[in-house]
Amino acid sequence: EVQLLESGGDLVQPGGSLRLSCAASGFTFSTYAMSWVRQAPGKGLEWVSSISASGGRTYYADSVKGRLTVSRDSSKNTLYLQMNSLRAEDTAIYYCAKTLYGGIDDAFDIWGQGTMVTVSS
Amino acid sequence: SSELTQPPSVSVSPGQTASITCSGDKLGHRYGCWYQQKPGQSPKLVIYQDTKRPSGIPERFSGSNSGNTATLTISGTQAMDEGDYYCQAWDSGGIVFGGGTKLTVL
Repeated sequence: EVQLLESGGDLVQPGGSLRLSCAASGFTFSTYAMSWVRQAPGKGLEWVSSISASGGRTYYADSVKGRLTVSRDSSKNTLYLQMNSLRAEDTAIYYCAKTLYGGIDDAFDIWGQGTMVTVSS
Repeated sequence: SSELTQPPSVSVSPGQTASITCSGDKLGHRYGCWYQQKPGQSPKLVIYQDTKRPSGIPERFSGSNSGNTATLTISGTQAMDEGDYYCQAWDSGGIVFGGGTKLTVL
């Protein structure tokens, strides 16, 4: 069964850091582009970042550029999101998502259950 | 990235057809997809590459995309189709989601 399991969400103070992880199973992780999508409480979906299958290309939303960094470790079948200089507006459920055919611009066919990040003093 | 605009809400009677639109500049030149999200759940892909249904998605879900508008159509809408629906497209180096449409079946 194809699965994505996020972890690492927590309560953090403004200006703090956090690293999210997404453990993948049931598919050949190294051949699929992956993404992070977030959803603030009661709000819609917001794309955060994407990374190509090889890890050689990364893309970021303007709202997180320079503060959040996506990476992947194919030896561990794990996707990461390093979050620095966190702001209150980063408070959200963070989902990792797998692309349908592997391309960076594909639809997302599998989503994790999400991990909650709360930025507050 | 450009914006995608959806109506905030759509209401439909059981058994009738629901249409949810998604508008964006030259959206028809890009592939669009649609997700369904129910309260407390992760999003679920219901349409990809404008018109295709993933395995397990009922035939009553269909999609189209032309000009500046993509449309998700649900024929014979059922109570279980209630939820939030989001369109999504790739746009010059990034992904864009529509603001979401709350579908009410009443």
